[in-house]
Amino acid sequence: AQSVTQLDSHVSVSEGTPVLLRCNYSSSYSPSLFWYVQHPNKGLQLLLKYTSAATLVKGINGFEAEFKKSETSFHLTKPSAHMSDAAEYFCVVSDRISGGSNYKLTFGKGTLLTVNP
Amino acid sequence: SQTIHQWPATLVQPVGSPLSLECTVEGTSNPNLYWYRQAAGRGLQLLFYSVGIGQISSEVPQNLSASRPQDRQFILSSKKLLLSDSGFYLCAWTSLSYEQYFGPGTRLTVT
Repeated sequence: AQSVTQLDSHVSVSEGTPVLLRCNYSSSYSPSLFWYVQHPNKGLQLLLKYTSAATLVKGINGFEAEFKKSETSFHLTKPSAHMSDAAEYFCVVSDRISGGSNYKLTFGKGTLLTVNP
Repeated sequence: SQTIHQWPATLVQPVGSPLSLECTVEGTSNPNLYWYRQAAGRGLQLLFYSVGIGQISSEVPQNLSASRPQDRQFILSSKKLLLSDSGFYLCAWTSLSYEQYFGPGTRLTVT
């Protein structure tokens, strides 16, 4: 069974400083991993994905994440936080359901990012 | 390009009343469709998924049901709402490269 652990429920940074949101996963197979962002009362937007190609993945809005199999981690980073980055972030692992063409996503509980001026 | 719609955006319903939430997808054929519920501070819970018309799989036993009457339409229903049904309901569809794309959500408050 797959699982995702987001190590921090809340991260607070100052504008212009680096962002690190931590995620560890557990999966029986070679996983696909994603980061989604959710602004208040909005749907989830895909930030980036890892699907067994390059281990360093670049996403939208200057975010990137590095897949480290030895550490079972997929931490999300950004060099310089912007006020508009304030949102909730979800780390997600995807696995195939019963050998078919359907995939099941398992979500972490989310990390709320606060950006202070 | 593909677009996913959900309505209504917000809904306030009394306990014991029925529920119908609708999700439609444009710009793709035969998508896999999903319903999630997001309760405050609890992340997302997968409720149902569908790989085709009339094909529904339930992830957790609950007071809700789902139907897929058309290829790009996915409906979430309940005959009698409970207080615990309150939450933010999200519909999603899967692309060929299996990342999921989410609709804008419906905020349901059961009073």
